[in-house]
Amino acid sequence: EVQLVESGGGLVQPGGSLRLSCAASGLTFNTFWMHWVRQVPGKGLVWLSRINSDGTTTNYSDSVKGRFTISRDNAKNTLYLQMNSLRAEDTAVYYCHATRNYFDYWGQGTLVTVSS
Amino acid sequence: DIQMTQSPSSLSASIGDRVTITCRASQSVSSYLNWYQQTPGKAPVLLIYAASSLHSGVPSRFSGSGSGTDFTLTISSLQPEDFATYFCQHTYTPPWTFGQGTKVEFK
Repeated sequence: EVQLVESGGGLVQPGGSLRLSCAASGLTFNTFWMHWVRQVPGKGLVWLSRINSDGTTTNYSDSVKGRFTISRDNAKNTLYLQMNSLRAEDTAVYYCHATRNYFDYWGQGTLVTVSS
Repeated sequence: DIQMTQSPSSLSASIGDRVTITCRASQSVSSYLNWYQQTPGKAPVLLIYAASSLHSGVPSRFSGSGSGTDFTLTISSLQPEDFATYFCQHTYTPPWTFGQGTKVEFK
C-alpha cells in the first residue's frame, strides 16, 4: 500500500520558518516526480512546487518562489519543503503529491498556521 | 502562467442526473489535463488523466473529453458518493495550475 505521510506543520509567527517533510512508502520513490500543493480549508487547490525524480529540476509558483525550497532525499524516501519568510496568507493544509504517468498519490496533509 | 477556469462554481443535482462540468485553459494545454474529486477533509482523488483516460478503479459513469483549451467532465448518472468538489488541473508546463473547483450539491 502506498503511503505519503506529511509532518512538520504547526503554528509559526509571521516571518518565521518551517520545514515540512513527506515520508513515502510502498512506491519506488526515486521514479516519481513529487509536488507540494496547498489548500486553505474550504477553498481551492493551489500547486506550489515540483521536483523531478532525481532532484535535479525544480519549479515553483510565483507565490512562493524565493521563499520556499523543495528538495528530496531518495535514500530516505522523503520529500521536503523549506518555508521561509512565512506570511498569514501561507496558512493552509499542505499536501505532498506523487506522480508518474498515470500513477497519482496524495498524502493526508499537514496544517500550517501563520499567526502571531 | 496558464489559467484554468471551471464552470459552474457549484451546481445542484439529484441522484441519477447527468452532470457536466467545464474547464477552460487560457492557452492550449494539448491533452495534459487531469480531473480530481475531493470530499471534505480528504485528499483529492484522480478520476481522469490525459483529458479522457479513466484512472484505475474509477467508475465508468465518469468520463472526460476535450483537448486544447476546452475540457469537460461528465458524470452520466449521479450517485450519492459523487456529491463532492471537482477540480481540473493542467500538467502541460509548470506551474501546473488547478481550476477553482466545482461543488456538486444535492438538490
